[in-house]
Amino acid sequence: DAGVTQSPTHLIKTRGQQVTLRCSPKSGHDTVSWYQQALGQGPQFIFQYYEEEERQRGNFPDRFSGHQFPNYSSELNVNALLLGDSALYLCASSLVHRNEQFFGPGTRLTVL
Amino acid sequence: SQQGEEDPQALSIQEGENATMNCSYKTSINNLQWYRQNSGRGLVHLILIRSNEREKHSGRLRVTLDTSKKSSSLLITASRAADTASYFCATAASRIKAAGNKLTFGGGTRVLVKP
Repeated sequence: DAGVTQSPTHLIKTRGQQVTLRCSPKSGHDTVSWYQQALGQGPQFIFQYYEEEERQRGNFPDRFSGHQFPNYSSELNVNALLLGDSALYLCASSLVHRNEQFFGPGTRLTVL
Repeated sequence: SQQGEEDPQALSIQEGENATMNCSYKTSINNLQWYRQNSGRGLVHLILIRSNEREKHSGRLRVTLDTSKKSSSLLITASRAADTASYFCATAASRIKAAGNKLTFGGGTRVLVKP
């Protein structure tokens, strides 16, 4: 049973560019959450998707957007990249109304 | 902003010793969870304790929760070199919204277990 998978593993972009990160949830899970983790800090909640809709959102600007597909996989898009967007981006999947979240290995984004 | 604050920020112990770390939070919670992260990669779920529970065990892990003090502790007994990692507490809010609960993480405790 595959766990949560994310792609790519690493990514290097320059300021102003746009990036798309991808996440496939654990088999059977229907909810996907995205987190940003800056170096040396704890993860910060970006948003959560269920039934292809954004259900909750953290304190992130509109440059951060997402999508969930009918197969429950999800994308995170970040426009107009800033140096401060450099971080590890973590995807977590769960079952709706269940508390435990399963995390993927993350995508490390570096913005130059 | 982060809900929880872990204490200490870093911990260095010898193999076989116990490691204790604490987490404080600010608002009412539905549950509190502890995660482990190795070398800046994905988080591994360790244990979940609900707001109506006071103590929970899982293998060498013991978690306590004191909702009156808004604090939790994680104890790792008989530590091993493989326990070297960062440990995070995460809280889920008491109001359950339409699709699960977002997690609010603390800053983590970096644990080094020396062989």
